[in-house]
Amino acid sequence: DIQMTQSPFTLSASVGDRVTITCRASQSIRTWLAWYQQKPGKVPKLLIYKASSIESGVPSRFSGSGFDREFTLTISSLQPEDLATYYCQQYDSDPYTFGQGTKLEIK
Amino acid sequence: QVQLVQSGAEVKKPGASVRVSCKASGYIFIDYYLHWVRQAPGQGLEWMGWINPNSGATMFAPKFLGWVSMTRDTSISTAYMEMTGLKSNDTAVYHCARGIDHTNMIMDVWGIGTTVTVSS
Repeated sequence: DIQMTQSPFTLSASVGDRVTITCRASQSIRTWLAWYQQKPGKVPKLLIYKASSIESGVPSRFSGSGFDREFTLTISSLQPEDLATYYCQQYDSDPYTFGQGTKLEIK
Repeated sequence: QVQLVQSGAEVKKPGASVRVSCKASGYIFIDYYLHWVRQAPGQGLEWMGWINPNSGATMFAPKFLGWVSMTRDTSISTAYMEMTGLKSNDTAVYHCARGIDHTNMIMDVWGIGTTVTVSS
């Protein structure tokens, strides 16, 4: 199985900050990576797919980048509603593993 | 609008079986894969497998092979996920999610989840 490791586990930042979450794969997944946002008590929401393609309706402050084994999700200017846990998921090969999640807190 | 409506919460004893349903609406059921993802209390997301509603083909993560099955009834646009031999650590919220993109592996619409509690 491909292991997905996110860092940090938790992140505390202020409104307006630029925030970056990293996801590393245990082997190459090319660009077959998605990012999901899960707000407390809600279902996951697709943000980014194919490493850098933004899903329709997602605010432009979210962006993704990376290739091969290392990927990042960036929020250019943190908003209060971005309080959530963020998950990366590889879909290069089954099983389509998720990272353990990064919990983003607002200071 | 596109929706996935799941069946209600279940409470089961260890060793029992459970079947969770996922009814699709707002799109052509057979055109998109359906994935099942679970989330144990306070834990992260775990991908279980997918079903191709058109062909009925399935694929499972290795830990779910042999005790989880996925089926569908195209006449009522509903997918089912059945688990047998439940253990306490199968207590989780089980989501179905639609797979999109040419890969069918990106999940754009999620059901709200079905809580399955396994307890003696």
